[in-house]
Amino acid sequence: AQSVAQPEDQVNVAEGNPLTVKCTYSVSGNPYLFWYVQYPNRGLQFLLKYITGDNLVKGSYGFEAEFNKSQTSFHLKKPSALVSDSALYFCAVRDITGANNLFFGTGTRLTVIP
Amino acid sequence: SAVISQKPSRDICQRGTSLTIQCQVDSQVTMMFWYRQQPGQSLTLIATANQGSEATYESGFVIDKFPISRPNLTFSTLTVSNMSPEDSSIYLCSAIQGFYGYTFGSGTRLTVV
Repeated sequence: AQSVAQPEDQVNVAEGNPLTVKCTYSVSGNPYLFWYVQYPNRGLQFLLKYITGDNLVKGSYGFEAEFNKSQTSFHLKKPSALVSDSALYFCAVRDITGANNLFFGTGTRLTVIP
Repeated sequence: SAVISQKPSRDICQRGTSLTIQCQVDSQVTMMFWYRQQPGQSLTLIATANQGSEATYESGFVIDKFPISRPNLTFSTLTVSNMSPEDSSIYLCSAIQGFYGYTFGSGTRLTVV
């Protein structure tokens, strides 16, 4: 079965500092990994995905994520946080054993402090 | 990637009534998915809706409670039937284009009173 874990419910970071939102995964076979962001009263917005290729994936709004196969991790990063980055972040994995839907982690609420 | 229009964006409903949520995709997609996001929680898959066949429900979700229609490749509806306050959630539809192009509707915030 596919699963993702986001070990931190809440991450606080000062504006201008680098941020990391953690995600680890467990899959059978090759992982297809995604990051989404959810702003209040909004749907999910796609940030980036890893399918194959370079372990460092660059996405929207200056975010990037590093795929680490040995540590089964796919942490989301940004060099310099903005207050507007404050939102709920979800890591997801494609469920290749089921209906090819996305299976989501529990989410991490990021707060960027001015 | 595809764009999904979902409506209503929010509703307040009386217990015992039903609400139908609609999702319109701007291009043809094979698979559509319906998720529930309970307050402060993650997204849980309700069912997968493929055109021309009955929806496939995940464990804990049944057709009588969440009937789904998928009349063509650009449209789907989810009905939340005989609602109770426990059904208060955000409901999201999703579609996939190609192998990895997942897109989501903006969600329906349902409050049952």
